[in-house]
Amino acid sequence: EAQVTQNPRYLITVTGKKLTVTCSQNMNHEYMSWYRQDPGLGLRQIYYSMNVEVTDKGDVPEGYKVSRKEKRNFPLILESPSPNQTSLYFCASSLYPPTAYGYTFGSGTRLTVV
Amino acid sequence: SQQGEEDPQALSIQEGENATMNCSYKTSINNLQWYRQNSGRGLVHLILIRSNEREKHSGRLRVTLDTSKKSSSLLITASRAADTASYFCATVALSGNQFYFGTGTSLTVIP
Repeated sequence: EAQVTQNPRYLITVTGKKLTVTCSQNMNHEYMSWYRQDPGLGLRQIYYSMNVEVTDKGDVPEGYKVSRKEKRNFPLILESPSPNQTSLYFCASSLYPPTAYGYTFGSGTRLTVV
Repeated sequence: SQQGEEDPQALSIQEGENATMNCSYKTSINNLQWYRQNSGRGLVHLILIRSNEREKHSGRLRVTLDTSKKSSSLLITASRAADTASYFCATVALSGNQFYFGTGTSLTVIP
């Protein structure tokens, strides 16, 4: 089944403890992206990647890191999480260019930083 | 900001009625896409309409695009309880690779 798989589904952590949210897709998509969703703010793009070793900042990149060493994986790294990073996170992928295709989204990761 | 804005923010209808949601945006686009999100789940792509198209259909969905008014509408005909979800429009500016999502319309279909 074609899908984007995120893990974990739920995560509670403490301020400052490094964490990684994994994302993997099995559709051979070039383009991958991370979003966060907050009430009243909609979805905001954190980072995106147009292909292996090519990443760029979205609208809200502060406090996040990404890497794209393999085409299928695009992990999101929070080096020192803070409470304002409590949010619902989505990974998404698409054929390139994404303008011509729809995104396939993962099921989301609900992160709480205390 | 390029971000689309959906209207209304919330909509409640009876099963069998039609639901109409609108999206307005600010700058020229390559295309516009509509997505559905069931509570707490990932978004699901519904339909894509290109800037040179005026109307598109997919099953019970009808999307229109008016580039002169910078607006789009999503019509769901003969709604069902299973259509209860949030609906988002997403635009991509001509100049970039980024999607811009609106804040969504929350649709409740009452059985």
